[in-house]
Amino acid sequence: TQLLEQSPQFLSIQEGENLTVYCNSSSVFSSLQWYRQEPGEGPVLLVTVVTGGEVKKLKRLTFQFGDARKDSSLHITAAQPGDTGLYLCAGTLSGYSTLTFGKGTMLLVSP
Amino acid sequence: ETGVTQTPRHLVMGMTNKKSLKCEQHLGHNAMYWYKQSAKKPLELMFVYSLEERVENNSVPSRFSPECPNSSHLFLHLHTLQPEDSALYLCASSQEPASGGFFSTQYFGPGTRLTVL
Repeated sequence: TQLLEQSPQFLSIQEGENLTVYCNSSSVFSSLQWYRQEPGEGPVLLVTVVTGGEVKKLKRLTFQFGDARKDSSLHITAAQPGDTGLYLCAGTLSGYSTLTFGKGTMLLVSP
Repeated sequence: ETGVTQTPRHLVMGMTNKKSLKCEQHLGHNAMYWYKQSAKKPLELMFVYSLEERVENNSVPSRFSPECPNSSHLFLHLHTLQPEDSALYLCASSQEPASGGFFSTQYFGPGTRLTVL
């Protein structure tokens, strides 16, 4: 059983479309992070959320942490080919635990 | 060099070979990590070093042997690997508080793509 379930596993869309990817768990996380990984590279941090209900925006990306701190979503507006990559969510169960990663959502944005 | 670097970027080895992966962080961090990334699996944490001491070892087979000679360098020594060990091996570093804990941002290297024949 995965501690962090990400959905969908794969998403292929056209440039300009909007999309939402999800990260769900039955456990409560003290913090949750979203990373993007491009082919041949390591993951790069996009955002960290720590407060239940928190919403953070990064240009066309909107991140939300669930009120109960068990789930998170990433919404991309007007997707561009440069958004293509593997989106990973990772959470810390407590201040003294290491990161637990989900399997990721592979996003492909076609021109 | 900036950030986290890993060498080699690609490695092909036979099951009887001995090789080492190298990671170097140029960020002044005090914690370093080895992860394994396989297809259709989440990143698996293998080893954690904090202030050059190994603080976590997630039931990794003994054919993987980490070494952290100082806070900037991390090695993963490989011997008698199996084909199922083929994966992307990622190194990461972070700056953790003196009071303990691992909740800071982790900075990843580009990884070493390992193929075991």
